[in-house]
Amino acid sequence: DAKTTQPPSMDCAEGRAANLPCNHSTISGNEYVYWYRQIHSQGPQYIIHGLKNNETNEMASLIITEDRKSSTLILPHATLRDTAVYYCIVRVTSNAGGTSYGKLTFGQGTILTVHP
Amino acid sequence: DAGITQSPRHKVTETGTPVTLRCHQTENHRYMYWYRQDPGHGLRLIHYSYGVKDTDKGEVSDGYSVSRSKTEDFLLTLESATSSQTSVYFCAISYSENQPQHFGDGTRLSIL
Repeated sequence: DAKTTQPPSMDCAEGRAANLPCNHSTISGNEYVYWYRQIHSQGPQYIIHGLKNNETNEMASLIITEDRKSSTLILPHATLRDTAVYYCIVRVTSNAGGTSYGKLTFGQGTILTVHP
Repeated sequence: DAGITQSPRHKVTETGTPVTLRCHQTENHRYMYWYRQDPGHGLRLIHYSYGVKDTDKGEVSDGYSVSRSKTEDFLLTLESATSSQTSVYFCAISYSENQPQHFGDGTRLSIL
């Protein structure tokens, strides 16, 4: 799976949009971009994923650049409960051939702190 | 969350004792995974299952075994626990290998 690079920490004011960047310059054409977050002492929580089109769900939006070398997770109106570690993960699909069992490789992520 | 229950949630035991952690799901998902999380290492895959009685090793499988005798249960066993296996263990499930994984709340295991 392609390696990802994220800033170690970010701050955001409550009610403002949080924009979390991720670089994945070695991503392959069959690799999805996934975002998870982990709130202290809880299991990782799935947020969103995409291949090349922008995606939006009830939690967030995912913007993937045209060359797919980077992406941004957007939390449109951050709340204090969004304080967590956010992980950007690039994951190969089963169509790639070879061994593919859905492995997720978690890096160090970005610690997002939302303050009042 | 996502119908996953891990048990026990906390356990303290001694070196050399056997330990079994249980992951129970009510989603009828085919895939189940065991990860461990340690400071400085993130989450690392221990074992996974792609169906009843179908399991395979992950990247840190030494010292661990798993069993899946029915769809809803995936057991992780430490045959002879060591202090290096002190960690937080997370179970995850997914409908297929291409679908998002959903995680349980974890088991905090301390080996003294």
